[in-house]
Amino acid sequence: AQTVTQSQPEMSVQEAETVTLSCTYDTSENNYYLFWYKQPPSRQMILVIRQEAYKQQNATENRFSVNFQKAAKSFSLKISDSQLGDTAMYFCAFIYMEYGNKLVFGAGTILRVKS
Amino acid sequence: GAVVSQHPSRVICKSGTSVKIECRSLDFQATTMFWYRQFPKQSLMLMATSNEGSKATYEQGVEKDKFLINHASLTLSTLTVTSAHPEDSSFYICSARDMGTGAFFGQGTRLTVV
Repeated sequence: AQTVTQSQPEMSVQEAETVTLSCTYDTSENNYYLFWYKQPPSRQMILVIRQEAYKQQNATENRFSVNFQKAAKSFSLKISDSQLGDTAMYFCAFIYMEYGNKLVFGAGTILRVKS
Repeated sequence: GAVVSQHPSRVICKSGTSVKIECRSLDFQATTMFWYRQFPKQSLMLMATSNEGSKATYEQGVEKDKFLINHASLTLSTLTVTSAHPEDSSFYICSARDMGTGAFFGQGTRLTVV
């Protein structure tokens, strides 16, 4: 099955606090890539962070970090020191190499950062 | 990051006409390009995957004769919506994958068929 599941349709966080967005996926592959994308109201898709499955170390990009649990097929995104500009739709995505390198997205989580 | 340019950003066309959307990778060679359709407040639905010089692979339920995809070079892919109808109105987004692990997106095209 080619599924990416984001179980949180909407979340809110106070400015400067930390929030974690969850994502699980289904695959029988051993090598693959995972991504978190941000889509603000402009609808431009912005790559937030990426993770190669063969790397055990969790990826980090400034205030953004992931908790990659390969055995559990879990890939959560942690946003530290949340800022108003972080308000957006966040998508978890997976490249399925066995299916012709398809990039498949989860349903998305709307994150609202409140002042 | 790598830049992907998609044009036009908005287009309005009459029912029955065809519309072409271009997707260009400006500073890298895209081995694979993806075309998505997105409805308001929903996720991106993969329509097709195209590899340079070969035929696109369409997802189940996507009409290949209506949504023509051409990936003629390593920097350009086009999506042509043929004989457009109001139900084809949507937001279309392309994505280009580089040689590494990146997948980068164009700005999207809002298509309105009247």
